[in-house]
Amino acid sequence: EVRLAESGGGLVKPGGSLRLSCEGSGFIFSSYNMYWVRQAPGKGLEWVSSISSGSDFIYYADSVRGRFTISRDNTKNSLFLQMNNLRDEDSALYYCAREVGTSPHRFDPWGQGTLVIVSS
Amino acid sequence: DIQMTQSPSSLSASVGDRVTITCRASQDIKTYLNWYQQKPGTAPKLLIYDASRLQSGAPSRFSGSGSGTDFTLSITGLLPEDRATYYCQQSYNTPRTTFGQGTRLEIK
Repeated sequence: EVRLAESGGGLVKPGGSLRLSCEGSGFIFSSYNMYWVRQAPGKGLEWVSSISSGSDFIYYADSVRGRFTISRDNTKNSLFLQMNNLRDEDSALYYCAREVGTSPHRFDPWGQGTLVIVSS
Repeated sequence: DIQMTQSPSSLSASVGDRVTITCRASQDIKTYLNWYQQKPGTAPKLLIYDASRLQSGAPSRFSGSGSGTDFTLSITGLLPEDRATYYCQQSYNTPRTTFGQGTRLEIK
C-alpha cells in the first residue's frame, strides 16, 4: 500500500521554528516529486512548497519563501519542511503529497496531515 | 498565479439527486484540471484528473468535463457517503498549483 505519514507538528510561539517530516512507504520514494500543501482551520488548500525527485528543483509559495526550507533524504524515504520565523497565519494542517502522472500532474496519495499551531 | 473559482461554495441535495459543481480558471488551462474529495477529518483524495478521467477506484457516479477555463464535476445518483468538500486544482502551472476554495456538499 502506498502511504505517506507526516509528523513533527505542534504548538509554537510566533517567531519560533518547527521541522515537519513525511515518510513514504509502498513506493519508490526517490522517483517522485513531492509537495507540501497546507489547510488553515476551516479553510481551503494552499500549496506551500515542492521538491523534485533528486532535489534539483525546489519551489516555494510567496507566503513562505525565505522562511521555509524543503528538503528530502531519499535514503530514508523522507521529506522535510523546516519552518522558521513562524507567524500566526502559518497555523494549519500540513499535508505532504506525492505528485503522479505526466500532464496533468496530480497528487496521490496525501498523508493524514500534521497540525501546526502558532500562538503566543 | 492562476486563480480558481468554484461555485457554489456550498449546496444541499438529496440521496439520488444529480449534483453539479463548477470551477472556473482565470486563464486557459486546457484540461490540466483535477478534482479532489475531502471528507470531514480526512485528507483530500483524488477523484478526477485531466478534467474528465476517473481515478482508479473512484466510483463511476462521479464524472468531470470541461476545457479551457470552465469545468464541471457531476455526481449522478447521490449517496450519503458523498457528503464532503470538493476542490478543483489546476496543474497547468505546475509546480505552482492552485486550488479552488472548495464546495461543501451536504446530504438532506
